[in-house]
Amino acid sequence: GAGVSQSPSNKVTEKGKDVELRCDPISGHTALYWYRQRLGQGLEFLIYFQGNSAPDKSGLPSDRFSAERTGESVSTLTIQRTQQEDSAVYLCASSLWGGSNEKLFFGSGTQLSVL
Amino acid sequence: DAKTTQPNSMESNEEEPVHLPCNHSTISGTDYIHWYRQLPSQGPEYVIHGLTSNVNNRMASLAIAEDRKSSTLILHRATLRDAAVYYCILRDNAGNMLTFGGGTRLMVKP
Repeated sequence: GAGVSQSPSNKVTEKGKDVELRCDPISGHTALYWYRQRLGQGLEFLIYFQGNSAPDKSGLPSDRFSAERTGESVSTLTIQRTQQEDSAVYLCASSLWGGSNEKLFFGSGTQLSVL
Repeated sequence: DAKTTQPNSMESNEEEPVHLPCNHSTISGTDYIHWYRQLPSQGPEYVIHGLTSNVNNRMASLAIAEDRKSSTLILHRATLRDAAVYYCILRDNAGNMLTFGGGTRLMVKP
């Protein structure tokens, strides 16, 4: 089947606007992760969803960031009142059930540019 | 959180083996050691993982020290397509994969 799909692939927005980023995980994967990657840096964990459990939001950098997931399918990451520091690639990954010996499958990311 | 330390960059010649080290001195007994790599303009892709024993797959081998405080990713014959940033990550029981860190940028020379 298809891999993890993210849209849009590129997003340019003005400072202060809200943006929504979408992630379609692999079908049947109950665990879903969002990461942020600034230019030239490693991945920074944002949020983790696993089934019907309460999401782990410990990585969200501010209350401007939020994410939702509908059942075990699509997830959206919303950034309100965007700032230039939010410019980065936002990566989504999924895995079957979130076990520590599982592999993650990543999407190609959304490149967000805040002008 | 248990952290990993990797060299910022390494160079290799094409067709030669590459040994990418990772130190994780604060690893806990149940942490799995995962390796991912990220090619330019792509999301990371899984390479290999292990707990205590050495592991082999079609992409690479993973050698884990007896005390588990370090590990080495081995690419047996580097190709130009192996040029990427390689990340060593510890994954705990909670299943959350946290910060990947800077990784090692592998450059492969023809």
